[in-house]
Amino acid sequence: GENVEQHPSTLSVQEGDSAVIKCTYSDSASNYFPWYKQELGKGPQLIIDIRSNVGEKKDQRIAVTLNKTAKHFSLHITETQPEDSAVYFCAASKRQAGTALIFGKGTTLSVSS
Amino acid sequence: DAGVTQSPTHLIKTRGQHVTLRCSPISGHKSVSWYQQVLGQGPQFIFQYYEKEERGRGNFPDRFSARQFPNYSSELNVNALLLGDSALYLCASSLQGFGDGYTFGSGTRLTVV
Repeated sequence: GENVEQHPSTLSVQEGDSAVIKCTYSDSASNYFPWYKQELGKGPQLIIDIRSNVGEKKDQRIAVTLNKTAKHFSLHITETQPEDSAVYFCAASKRQAGTALIFGKGTTLSVSS
Repeated sequence: DAGVTQSPTHLIKTRGQHVTLRCSPISGHKSVSWYQQVLGQGPQFIFQYYEKEERGRGNFPDRFSARQFPNYSSELNVNALLLGDSALYLCASSLQGFGDGYTFGSGTRLTVV
């Protein structure tokens, strides 16, 4: 089955710096790759996603890139702010009925001002 | 528009007991998925339901069961609770359960003592 590896497990940056989180997946049939942000006491919130027919997607300060050949995808956050501090999860799925989202173990991002 | 509603928010049970967790999806969403999130880990897939039928099941023992009602709400039941069942249980709703467009609730924190 699918396995998703996520690095780093913790990331500390200064406000205004960029942050990059990387994930690799094992199942070449996976074709949907979302990123979730989870704040303390809350459920995961979708922040951006990408499908396998697209190499890059951007939404304001957040961007995701996908390399299907290497089976890895990355989250890029520019101009980080203290409110970006949270746990970020990558996930992969096949976009078929009944399929699960397979999550990475998460990255704790700390942005200090 | 109300998001995904889960109840209760917190629960403490004793080993061997039974627990029922409840989820109301976003209006118009016909699929509900359940995930278990152990502290420090990413969510793990337990079940997916669509139109009251089970569409997918993760690698969990038969002590875990679920069902979906005609109004698309769902219950997750866990029998013979073990200490290792202590976790955050997340419900995610989506239109059709194709692995994308998931909206998560804030979860039920279950502690087994």
